[in-house]
Amino acid sequence: DTGVSQDPRHKITKRGQNVTFRCDPISEHNRLYWYRQTLGQGPEFLTYFQNEAQLEKSRLLSDRFSAERPKGSFSTLEIQRTEQGDSAMYLCASSLDRGRYEQYFGPGTRLTVT
Amino acid sequence: SQQGEEDPQALSIQEGENATMNCSYKTSINNLQWYRQNSGRGLVHLILIRSNEREKHSGRLRVTLDTSKKSSSLLITASRAADTASYFCATVLNTDKLIFGTGTRLQVFP
Repeated sequence: DTGVSQDPRHKITKRGQNVTFRCDPISEHNRLYWYRQTLGQGPEFLTYFQNEAQLEKSRLLSDRFSAERPKGSFSTLEIQRTEQGDSAMYLCASSLDRGRYEQYFGPGTRLTVT
Repeated sequence: SQQGEEDPQALSIQEGENATMNCSYKTSINNLQWYRQNSGRGLVHLILIRSNEREKHSGRLRVTLDTSKKSSSLLITASRAADTASYFCATVLNTDKLIFGTGTRLQVFP
């Protein structure tokens, strides 16, 4: 399968714990995006990378959230001290260089904070 | 925050009928895209229309864009049960991030 993959697909954690999600984009794609989606809503942009550089972060990305793409390939999204309001589907997408606007999405990681 | 809103929020039709959903947005855009989301395949890109285009077709899909009204519509002709999904419009401004609308849930009955 050469699509975008995410791991894990589901994560249940207790409030206050840290969680980390991984995204593997399509191999030749330079751009990688993270979105968050809550029930009944459209996805909301969190952050994106051009290779290893983080180019933009949403105001939604509080200081408890951090994202990395260390070698310009896979990316991780970490949430520290999780809160119940962090419960959502976290989506990763990738695309070719700027100007290739179509984004390819992974299946998502569903986070439940109890 | 969401850039746009889709209308209707939910739509139920019979197979073979056409489905039309509308999207309104707030600011000037570079392009507008439509995505489909269902539990089986996640979010899938359907079609992109640039700000200088007024209409675009792809198979059974027809998209229109009216930048003066800041609105777009997606028409699915001859719908099938497999078209059952949520449909989102997403706008692209001056960076490549997508700003999604609230979505239309389409149910197509056999």
